[in-house]
Amino acid sequence: DSGVTQTPKHLITATGQRVTLRCSPRSGDLSVYWYQQSLDQGLQFLIQYYNGEERAKGNILERFSAQQFPDLHSELNLSSLELGDSALYFCASSARSGVDTQYFGPGTRLTVL
Amino acid sequence: AQKITQTQPGMFVQEKEAVTLDCTYDTSDPSYGLFWYKQPSSGEMIFLIYQGSYDQQNATEGRYSLNFQKARKSANLVISASQLGDSAMYFCAMREGFFNAGNMLTFGGGTRLMVKP
Repeated sequence: DSGVTQTPKHLITATGQRVTLRCSPRSGDLSVYWYQQSLDQGLQFLIQYYNGEERAKGNILERFSAQQFPDLHSELNLSSLELGDSALYFCASSARSGVDTQYFGPGTRLTVL
Repeated sequence: AQKITQTQPGMFVQEKEAVTLDCTYDTSDPSYGLFWYKQPSSGEMIFLIYQGSYDQQNATEGRYSLNFQKARKSANLVISASQLGDSAMYFCAMREGFFNAGNMLTFGGGTRLMVKP
């Protein structure tokens, strides 16, 4: 158990819908990262937050957004969902935003029908 | 160009034998870190081992060791005494820059390891 929690574990929804994925980092960790794992794209970095502020952006679609709250939990919002958004979404956390190892949560498997 | 390359899509190893999973990387940043993660069929990503670009010695963590050859830009994972529970996908990843604004990981395509009894 990495100490990173993600809810829900599974999510099935329809095209055009909006969903919110939630992540709680390890106790004391300030940085949260979101990654997407799909069959065709592999594991890709989406976005990073550090102590409430956006720190880096990767291949994140405009339909996707995220935020980190004062209690350091983070939410990833996916809207106008398409079939191609079906993937495993991971949250990871690290103590700071430098040399520390990122520990991953169990992931949320999103299926868009 | 691919930043992280794992050339072995799948591998078999006999239980109790050692196995090496290959990883080559490409970066012009002198400061970087290399990671290996394990993903069992259940889906979670488990951190195994880390090697920093300035580390003088190869990293070891229990049965895992990292064969770091900086000049060749390779960071191969060695698993000694394979166990059935080692059957999983293994990902090599790199973080470039220690103090950049972003410290995202770039992942390779993974190697599926299957341990035979």
